[in-house]
Amino acid sequence: AQSVTQLGSHVSVSEGALVLLRCNYSSSVPPYLFWYVQYPNQGLQLLLKYTTGATLVKGINGFEAEFKKSETSFHLTKPSAHMSDAAEYFCAVSVSNRDDKIIFGKGTRLHILP
Amino acid sequence: DTAVSQTPKYLVTQMGNDKSIKCEQNLGHDTMYWYKQDSKKFLKIMFSYNNKELIINETVPNRFSPKSPDKAHLNLHINSLELGDSAVYFCASGTGAILEQYFGPGTRLTVT
Repeated sequence: AQSVTQLGSHVSVSEGALVLLRCNYSSSVPPYLFWYVQYPNQGLQLLLKYTTGATLVKGINGFEAEFKKSETSFHLTKPSAHMSDAAEYFCAVSVSNRDDKIIFGKGTRLHILP
Repeated sequence: DTAVSQTPKYLVTQMGNDKSIKCEQNLGHDTMYWYKQDSKKFLKIMFSYNNKELIINETVPNRFSPKSPDKAHLNLHINSLELGDSAVYFCASGTGAILEQYFGPGTRLTVT
């Protein structure tokens, strides 16, 4: 069965610094991978996704993620943090389109320090 | 022109009551979902429907009953509410093709 592990339930970075949120997945077949963002008191919004093809995926708000099969990772990065990036970030995986199920990680709260 | 909408946004009720949450999507998607997010932000799927047919039914108490009158609507009815049902419930919809899902704003349910 597939699973997702997000390292660090809380990450703090200074405004303007590099953002790195870690995600490792477990899957016996090629996965579909996603990052979602949840701002306070809102629903989840898709940041980016990897399905097939180019392993470096660019998303909204300057975020990108790289699929590394050898490391079973899909870390999320942004070169320069902005105060508005403070939110909860969820990594998610799916390997089957039979039941359309996505498995979410437990989330990482990103804090931006002034 | 909200893509996925839920009502109500907040729901406060007492133990033992029955309540419903409604969800509508105007994206033309065939698949809709209900998720429960607990106080630690853990997000877990409860149900999914594809074109009014139940596809996913995770281990959820049978007090929870989803109903899909058409593919644009997926409602969640909860009987005999318990304290542990307090959570934020999210509706989502998707195409199923690459599993990208669009989430509603959530319904915060508080059972007292």
